[in-house]
Amino acid sequence: EAQVTQNPRYLITVTGKKLTVTCSQNMNHEYMSWYRQDPGLGLRQIYYSMNVEVTDKGDVPEGYKVSRKEKRNFPLILESPSPNQTSLYFCASSPGDRTYQPQHFGDGTRLSIL
Amino acid sequence: DAKTTQPNSMESNEEEPVHLPCNHSTISGTDYIHWYRQLPSQGPEYVIHGLTSNVNNRMASLAIAEDRKSSTLILHRATLRDAAVYYCTSTSGTYKYIFGTGTRLKVLA
Repeated sequence: EAQVTQNPRYLITVTGKKLTVTCSQNMNHEYMSWYRQDPGLGLRQIYYSMNVEVTDKGDVPEGYKVSRKEKRNFPLILESPSPNQTSLYFCASSPGDRTYQPQHFGDGTRLSIL
Repeated sequence: DAKTTQPNSMESNEEEPVHLPCNHSTISGTDYIHWYRQLPSQGPEYVIHGLTSNVNNRMASLAIAEDRKSSTLILHRATLRDAAVYYCTSTSGTYKYIFGTGTRLKVLA
């Protein structure tokens, strides 16, 4: 089954403790992206990647890092999490060679930073 | 900065058509317009996309204004299963996506 898989689905942690949210897709997609979703603000793009070793900032990249060493994986790294990064996070992928191609989203990761 | 705006919420009666509007105030000529919907506790799912002309698929229709500054997602006969949050989005010149804040659609039985 074609899917985007995020782990963990839920995480409660403390300020300053480094964490990684993994994202994997099995559709051989070139484009992958991370979003955060907050009440009243909708979906905001954090980082995106056009292909392996190619990443770029979205609208809200501060406090986050990403890497794209393999085509299927696009982890989101919070080096020193802070409470304002408490949010619902979504990973998405698309074939990538045309901007009309729809994105496939994972089921989300709910992060709580205390 | 690119900006996409939507009403916060709308209501519709079951079996009636629903028109969900979106303003793409800073869209450029080559940016596609996409619509997604999000059911509770799920990730967004694709609904429809278009560039300049109106589009139809099995889920919905998309009407795009001539100047492309606005679009309307049309659900021809709303059902209870269509109750969701609907997002419009467009790219900002490249693969950077700007989403609206979403419209929560309530369908009344």
